[in-house]
Amino acid sequence: SQELEQSPQSLIVQEGKNLTINCTSSKTLYGLYWYKQKYGEGLIFLMMLQKGGEEKSHEKITAKLDEKKQQSSLHITASQPSHAGIYLCGADGRGNNRLAFGKGNQVVVIP
Amino acid sequence: NAGVTQTPKFRILKIGQSMTLQCAQDMNHNYMYWYRQDPGMGLKLIYYSVGAGITDKGEVPNGYNVSRSTTEDFPLRLELAAPSQTSVYFCASSHLFGDTQYFGPGTRLTVL
Repeated sequence: SQELEQSPQSLIVQEGKNLTINCTSSKTLYGLYWYKQKYGEGLIFLMMLQKGGEEKSHEKITAKLDEKKQQSSLHITASQPSHAGIYLCGADGRGNNRLAFGKGNQVVVIP
Repeated sequence: NAGVTQTPKFRILKIGQSMTLQCAQDMNHNYMYWYRQDPGMGLKLIYYSVGAGITDKGEVPNGYNVSRSTTEDFPLRLELAAPSQTSVYFCASSHLFGDTQYFGPGTRLTVL
């Protein structure tokens, strides 16, 4: 089965600081998805990466997929309290649209 | 568009009771999914469907059943609820193979 490791498990940053979280797979991925979840709420889609070396940005969030398609990073520039939450990476490891998820990165932003 | 909707939002069951979690989407998506999320864990796929009348097991299907009689609806049935089924259940949908999955707000279920 697809194993996804997310690190660090939790992260506390001061408002205005940058942060990076990672998602590593034991296998080559067909697709890598980043979602954000606030406590008690559903998942909000952030970005999808499919090509090796691909990089996408939206507002202050940038996601990258490495050339081997086994590791992705999510970088937040000048973090704000609105960036707090749990970031989940989901991966399509077999090209069958069945996503396996990591355990999440909990991000806390201190004003 | 309402997107993906789930009912109820919260439910408490006694051991051995049954219930159906409802999921509906108004985006005309072909693929629909049920996941469960346990504290500190990622999401686990329970069942999924690639279209009306077609369903298949995911990673953790035991204790659950699904049906897909229409494109819009994908209910999840729990028979003989057990404490191990205490979890948050998410329904998701996507249009085509490889497309982004969109999630509902979740149903928080407690089995006592």
